[in-house]
Amino acid sequence: RKEVEQDPGPFNVPEGATVAFNCTYSNSASQSFFWYRQDCRKEPKLLMSVYSSGNEDGRFTAQLNRASQYISLLIRDSKLSDSATYLCVVNLRGSTLGRLYFGRGTQLTVWP
Amino acid sequence: NAGVTQTPKFRVLKTGQSMTLLCAQDMNHEYMYWYRQDPGMGLRLIHYSVGEGTTAKGEVPDGYNVSRLKKQNFLLGLESAAPSQTSVYFCASSSSAIRTYEQYFGPGTRLTVT
Repeated sequence: RKEVEQDPGPFNVPEGATVAFNCTYSNSASQSFFWYRQDCRKEPKLLMSVYSSGNEDGRFTAQLNRASQYISLLIRDSKLSDSATYLCVVNLRGSTLGRLYFGRGTQLTVWP
Repeated sequence: NAGVTQTPKFRVLKTGQSMTLLCAQDMNHEYMYWYRQDPGMGLRLIHYSVGEGTTAKGEVPDGYNVSRLKKQNFLLGLESAAPSQTSVYFCASSSSAIRTYEQYFGPGTRLTVT
């Protein structure tokens, strides 16, 4: 069983739409949580960390539900530039130092 | 401040040839990682290093070797390339001072083995 599972999509939404991605993680000892963004043929880049109380960065809102072991990312007022693959990432408490576990990614296409 | 850089950006090898991929970071990070990314497979950890002179195996280490002789550099070697090693290789680094361990990636090396 993979440490992190994501719906691969693709999600195709019009500009201005709100879209939500979920991901689940298998290890309850997971400690740190992130969403990374990867553009086509580019490297993954940190989009935002996910905190227990939930956090927002502009149009992006991340939520963590430790009891159900899932993480979500909400994108409001989608822009064409939001088209990318979004990777759910976790770090396990006590794991090999610094090791992160990556989901396979959810592909988003925003159309005009 | 260049962050994480990788050399080369592209390479085509014939089966059985060897090569070394170089990763360099200027952020004074202790931890460095090599991943490969294949369609539908996501990022898979090949080898990693938690400090100068130390290396360890990740999820898919077979066919690869690594060295970390200097803190800022992490080398990935393919001794005898196989078509199954055709992939995009990403290097990443992170700092022990950041307890959440977020990683920063280089731009990748696209390797084709024919």
